[in-house]
Amino acid sequence: DTGVSQNPRHKITKRGQNVTFRCDPISEHNRLYWYRQTLGQGPEFLTYFQNEAQLEKSRLLSDRFSAERPKGSFSTLEIQRTEQGDSAMYLCASSIKQATNEKLFFGSGTQLSVL
Amino acid sequence: AQSVTQLDSQVPVFEEAPVELRCNYSSSVSVYLFWYVQYPNQGLQLLLKYLSGSTLVKGINGFEAEFNKSQTSFHLRKPSVHISDTAEYFCAVSDPDTGFQKLVFGTGTRLLVSP
Repeated sequence: DTGVSQNPRHKITKRGQNVTFRCDPISEHNRLYWYRQTLGQGPEFLTYFQNEAQLEKSRLLSDRFSAERPKGSFSTLEIQRTEQGDSAMYLCASSIKQATNEKLFFGSGTQLSVL
Repeated sequence: AQSVTQLDSQVPVFEEAPVELRCNYSSSVSVYLFWYVQYPNQGLQLLLKYLSGSTLVKGINGFEAEFNKSQTSFHLRKPSVHISDTAEYFCAVSDPDTGFQKLVFGTGTRLLVSP
């Protein structure tokens, strides 16, 4: 169990550029989540995958955001035409449901700074 | 919509003193409740959770929390803190119908333990 891995750890970009983040979940975890955390706030739910299917998207996820999880393994989160308001920590979590129980394991996040 | 209030943004305490971190949630129906800890440069880690049953929940690192339905609270306690407990603590709630899929987090409480 190597934990949830997120790359890159930090990303600095200019406004209007596209960025892509990657999340590698714990192997055999079929559920994957993306959250966003801005300074002084708690994490906010963005989207959720079960295997390769994206089952839920928050209204926070505008049409500039797209997330994929091909083959139900790693996931990518792409932000097109970045805005300064996109600056945040993007967190990924994975889990596997066992009976009625489930435990989310979070990665260390990707810190995005849009200049 | 569910929400979580953590009234204390920062709680300073001396080592070996007891501590209580407050959490109130707004929901008139059944809820799942969680406490997560975030150490610097690390991902969120689950401390404990309440799903049902006993209202006193024991977690890792000597922490415990008590679910109080009448007061809609889920305060986190530790009888004697260590320097290593210095971290950000987040309370979260979810709807049992959606399980663990969409956690709603509070804004966090920074616990500062000094010698």
